[in-house]
Amino acid sequence: DAKTTQPPSMDCAEGRAANLPCNHSTISGNEYVYWYRQIHSQGPQYIIHGLKNNETNEMASLIITEDRKSSTLILPHATLRDTAVYYCIVPMDSNYQLIWGAGTKLIIKP
Amino acid sequence: GAVVSQHPSWVICKSGTSVKIECRSLDFQATTMFWYRQFPKQSLMLMATSNEGSKATYEQGVEKDKFLINHASLTLSTLTVTSAHPEDSSFYICSASRGIGTGASNQPQHFGDGTRLSIL
Repeated sequence: DAKTTQPPSMDCAEGRAANLPCNHSTISGNEYVYWYRQIHSQGPQYIIHGLKNNETNEMASLIITEDRKSSTLILPHATLRDTAVYYCIVPMDSNYQLIWGAGTKLIIKP
Repeated sequence: GAVVSQHPSWVICKSGTSVKIECRSLDFQATTMFWYRQFPKQSLMLMATSNEGSKATYEQGVEKDKFLINHASLTLSTLTVTSAHPEDSSFYICSASRGIGTGASNQPQHFGDGTRLSIL
C-alpha cells in the first residue's frame, strides 16, 4: 500500500473551513486517494475519493497536487458535528483493502 | 444511497456463547464485504474479506474457525463469533462495496454502524 502521513490532531473554529492535509509520496499512477471519517463509537463514513483531478461532493472537496504526492480534504463550513477522526487511505488496486492508520483527530470548536 | 445496516448494535452474552452479526446492503448489491474489529482507542483492523458465493479470505492471525463468515447473497453477509470469550469483546464493523476485480479501487466501502460485543 502507498503509505499516508497525516497530522495527529487539528483544531478548527465552527463555521470556518477545515483543511486536512495528507502526504502519500509513494502513490502509484492507478491508486486512488480515499477519505473516511469516524465519529466516536460509530462506523466509519465515506467522504470522498479521487485519482488525479480535484473532486467535490455535498460533504467536502478533495484537492490533489499535480504530482499526486499529497492531498487536502476541505470541509468548507465546519460544524460541531464534523468533530471526528479523519483517515486518508490509499488502497492497493490489486485488493482494494483499506489499511487504517491513526488519522487526524479534528476538533471543531464553537 | 449506499446504506449498510448492521445488526445487532449491542450484544452482551455469557462466555461460551456463539454470536451472529448481520450486515446488509440496503440499496445496492455488495459484491465484496469486509469485516473489521476495533479495540478501544485503536484503528480498525481488517479481519476478513468476503466475495459473494465464495469462501472468505482471512487476515493473518484471524482464526477462520472462530470467526465464521457467510456471504450467501449480494446483500447479506454474516459473522459468527463461535464460543465467544471475554477477549473477543470488541467493536465489530462491516463494510460493503460494489467493487470486485480490476477497477474495484474506484468503488468506496460503505460501513455499518458497528456491533459492540461484550462477553462476560
